[in-house]
Amino acid sequence: NAGVTQTPKFQVLKTGQSMTLQCAQDMNHNSMYWYRQDPGMGLRLIYYSASEGTTDKGEVPNGYNVSRLNKREFSLRLESAAPSQTSVYFCASSEYRAEQFFGPGTRLTVL
Amino acid sequence: GQQVMQIPQYQHVQEGEDFTTYCNSSTTLSNIQWYKQRPGGHPVFLIQLVKSGEVKKQKRLTFQFGEAKKNSSLHITATQTTDVGTYFCAGSAAGNKLTFGGGTRVLVKP
Repeated sequence: NAGVTQTPKFQVLKTGQSMTLQCAQDMNHNSMYWYRQDPGMGLRLIYYSASEGTTDKGEVPNGYNVSRLNKREFSLRLESAAPSQTSVYFCASSEYRAEQFFGPGTRLTVL
Repeated sequence: GQQVMQIPQYQHVQEGEDFTTYCNSSTTLSNIQWYKQRPGGHPVFLIQLVKSGEVKKQKRLTFQFGEAKKNSSLHITATQTTDVGTYFCAGSAAGNKLTFGGGTRVLVKP
């Protein structure tokens, strides 16, 4: 089992460019999440999907969109990247009210 | 919205000493989880507490959930260099969403 995988591992964008971060889990979890972690800080929830076919905003959704493609995959899209979106992005999955399993993260720099 | 605060933000510990990190929520929680993140790594689940006043131990780590279910603590005894990292608490008031605290960064002096 690979657990939670994320691609890419690193990305550098210019202001205004768009990109999609990919996340997949092989644990058959219903719930998936996208977080961002800024240097020296905790994790902030961007969007989550409680189950296939549903998505909801988290604490910091502005500037992002998500797609729950199927039960395994949950993607995060930046339509027009800004320097304030420079961060490490973590995807996670879980069953209801259970421990969350995190992917290795995507380190994004927006110039 | 729900806020979760952790203190201290940094903890410098001599190897072999004990320390405690504290977590406080602005709202009553249904459960609280603790995670550890090594430098450059991703958060890894340690434990979940659900009941009021619950205490759980994992080797040298002791986790406690407050009676009012608004606070929690993590106590580490006989700190080792392998304890280096950031410890996060994360609380859930309802549903599946977790609100993470800012973390306590632990540095161990050999």
